[in-house]
Amino acid sequence: NAGVTQTPKFQVLKTGQSMTLQCAQDMNHEYMSWYRQDPGMGLRLIHYSVGAGITDQGEVPNGYNVSRSTTEDFPLRLLSAAPSQTSVYFCASSYSTGSYNSPLHFGNGTRLTVT
Amino acid sequence: AQKITQTQPGMFVQEKEAVTLDCTYDTSDQSYGLFWYKQPSSGEMIFLIYQGSYDEQNATEGRYSLNFQKARKSANLVISASQLGDSAMYFCAISRYNNNDMRFGAGTRLTVKP
Repeated sequence: NAGVTQTPKFQVLKTGQSMTLQCAQDMNHEYMSWYRQDPGMGLRLIHYSVGAGITDQGEVPNGYNVSRSTTEDFPLRLLSAAPSQTSVYFCASSYSTGSYNSPLHFGNGTRLTVT
Repeated sequence: AQKITQTQPGMFVQEKEAVTLDCTYDTSDQSYGLFWYKQPSSGEMIFLIYQGSYDEQNATEGRYSLNFQKARKSANLVISASQLGDSAMYFCAISRYNNNDMRFGAGTRLTVKP
């Protein structure tokens, strides 16, 4: 059982370039989300989705786009990379959106550096 | 908006001793969930323990227990009999009823000394 799979593990971009971070889960989870982790700031929610075709913004959505065309996939797009987007990105999923007791299952993260 | 505060950037504990990691939260919701996650140096996020806002008993999972004081809005993690493998970052998080928005604290780095 693969769980939550993120690709790539590492990425270096130049300012202004665009790219897509991939996230896939094979647990038939309704809820998926993207977080960024910066030193001293914990994890901050970028975007989330409660099901295919439904997305919404989190705390820090600027500069990122998402879509959810299938239950399994939730890619995160950086439209024009900036050095401030240098971070570790985590994708997460959970079983239910109708309760508050479903823990998040995390991918292994993508370390992104923007120069 | 919900908020989690972890006031201890770093903690040290002697192997085999117990340690308490502090977590306070702010929410206007009546129903919510509280979680603790562990992040070892390898980087993955590991779910440790969960406490529901209406649960009357404190949650326990092996050596982990959650000291939940609802009136004080605190959800401290207690690790008993610390092991060297417990050295890691620990994050407290709060979720809303519909789980659409889980917020994390800044984390506490725990170091277990031999």
